Amino acid sequence: AQKVTQAQTEISVVEKEDVTLDCVYETRDTTYYLFWYKQPPSGELVFLIRRNSFDEQNEISGRYSWNFQKSTSSFNFTITASQVVDSAVYFCASQETSGSRLTFGEGTQLTVNP
Amino acid sequence: GAGVSQSPSNKVTEKGKDVELRCDPISGHTALYWYRQSLGQGLEFLIYFQGNSAPDKSGLPSDRFSAERTGGSVSTLTIQRTQQEDSAVYLCASSLGALSGGEQFFGPGTRLTVL
Repeated sequence: AQKVTQAQTEISVVEKEDVTLDCVYETRDTTYYLFWYKQPPSGELVFLIRRNSFDEQNEISGRYSWNFQKSTSSFNFTITASQVVDSAVYFCASQETSGSRLTFGEGTQLTVNP
Repeated sequence: GAGVSQSPSNKVTEKGKDVELRCDPISGHTALYWYRQSLGQGLEFLIYFQGNSAPDKSGLPSDRFSAERTGGSVSTLTIQRTQQEDSAVYLCASSLGALSGGEQFFGPGTRLTVL
């Protein structure tokens, strides 16, 4: 069974600060997928990124970047120059290749204050 | 619309009543998932449909929960004899296929409150 841990329950920053959300996963699979989803106050889960276990390249998309390190089983998410609109709950999730269910972490509530 | 839709958006029911929650996936998506989001349990998987294959029901918490998917499209999640611990937001998602790694698109959810 897979397990995802997001140790940070809540993070509060001031606008324009950089912030990193931690995600640690556990799996026995050699092939797997990792995801980040954003859940704004409206409630709908919004897909941010998918990464497969064979691709450890870091990825940058605008102010967002992801650091995947298999050696530490981590898939951390950094928001650069945070904005108030980034305030949301962020979920990290994993997926086995043998099935398609997502296993979610507990989520991190990010509050960006003006 | 282009996204996953769910109805009703809110449902308040009395303990012991049955409820039905509906999910309309994105057209052309063959895979459909139900998840539940509650304060104590986070986001948990309930059931997964893929085409005409037998559904993966391994996440259903009790035999009071069931789901069906008619015609490979719309799905209904039924909770019989509701209990207060069933109060949660029920989320539906769909994806293009069974291939792992496929992005799951989520609906807005149905907030169920059992009094």
